Amino acid sequence: GDKVKQSPSALSLQEGTNSALRCNFSIAATTVQWFLQNPRGSLINLFYLVPGTKENGRLKSAFDSKESYSTLHIRDAQLEDSGTYFCAAADQGGSAKLIFGEGTKLTVSS
Amino acid sequence: EAAVTQSPRNKVTVTGGNVTLSCRQTNSHNYMYWYRQDTGHGLRLIHYSYGAGNLQIGDVPDGYKATRTTQEDFFLLLELASPSQTSLYFCASSPGGNTGQLYFGEGSKLTVL
Repeated sequence: GDKVKQSPSALSLQEGTNSALRCNFSIAATTVQWFLQNPRGSLINLFYLVPGTKENGRLKSAFDSKESYSTLHIRDAQLEDSGTYFCAAADQGGSAKLIFGEGTKLTVSS
Repeated sequence: EAAVTQSPRNKVTVTGGNVTLSCRQTNSHNYMYWYRQDTGHGLRLIHYSYGAGNLQIGDVPDGYKATRTTQEDFFLLLELASPSQTSLYFCASSPGGNTGQLYFGEGSKLTVL
């Protein structure tokens, strides 16, 4: 089964609205990273998290290792937020490989 | 800001052709990775390395070789390209394996006819 499961798989928002994306883990995740793949295909770093929360402008992310999930909140969505959001988790097992989710495709419209 | 540079950005070859994708990072990171991205599969790890001369097998290594010649340079080799290897390839680096933030290059689009 999926070790890192993202939801929803797709999401449409109006400009100015808020939403949350989620990753659930079936592994003992120690760190989580969030990336945005923009429409041009570039993968942009958003957050690197140990258990806790971080905020950057209109984006806020949380990682709860005990409950095995992470969230990415988008406030006041803008057109440039459109793209595919990926989360990736490090497994406590110590492998140097990150485990990626399948992504959430976000479309923001005016 | 971490810098990872890939070349070529676009490549078209024929079945059976020989392709080398190059990646250079200028951040003194120990770990480098090659991923492929296909619709319906997300990002899949092909090979990775934790230093010059080291190579580790990823999750989808069949049909690919890789070589880490220096700390900065990591190459992905397709010696007999097949249409199933048509994909978007990303190189990435991180300072500490899965404990460090991952930085991606801009991607290399490979088409095998």
